[in-house]
Amino acid sequence: EDQVTQSPEALRLQEGESSSLNCSYTVSGLRGLFWYRQDPGKGPEFLFTLYSAGEEKEKERLKATLTKKESFLHITAPKPEDSATYLCAVQAGGANSKLTFGKGITLSVRP
Amino acid sequence: KAGVTQTPRYLIKTRGQQVTLSCSPISGHRSVSWYQQTPGQGLQFLFEYFSETQRNKGNFPGRFSGRQFSNSRSEMNVSTLELGDSALYLCASTLQDPREGYTFGSGTRLTVV
Repeated sequence: EDQVTQSPEALRLQEGESSSLNCSYTVSGLRGLFWYRQDPGKGPEFLFTLYSAGEEKEKERLKATLTKKESFLHITAPKPEDSATYLCAVQAGGANSKLTFGKGITLSVRP
Repeated sequence: KAGVTQTPRYLIKTRGQQVTLSCSPISGHRSVSWYQQTPGQGLQFLFEYFSETQRNKGNFPGRFSGRQFSNSRSEMNVSTLELGDSALYLCASTLQDPREGYTFGSGTRLTVV
């Protein structure tokens, strides 16, 4: 069974204080690993898809990386508007295209 | 372009009743998936429809069902509601190849009392 574990559960940062969010996964044949951002009362917002170990993608202050067992979401010099819950999900190869999500990491950035 | 639209945004139902939720995907997206989000379990996959056919199904009881219409709009139905069905129900749509990610709606918040 596919599993995704995210850590820490919650993270409080000072504005400008860089950090990384961790996503560990086990999946039978990774088709893709997805990062989403979710604000309170809203649906998840797509950030990145990573497909193979060694791949990296960047968007503004966010950079996602992938190894065979983990993915990291690096946040450089965060701002208060980066406060949200960050979700990691994996999609296995094969006929079942469902996403298996982790419980999420709640990030709070203080000004 | 318009995003994924879910209606209604909020619902309050009584135990034992049934409920129908609606999802209109992004124009051109033929795949629609449904997820249940709760504080304890996070997001859990319910089912996926593609071209009016259920393609995949999660581990939920038969009280949860869905369908997709020819215009790709989808509905999910929950019969004989239980208190534990209280959750945020999210719909996501994508092109046939989901490499660009799934686009989620804002969800329907269902409260069962």
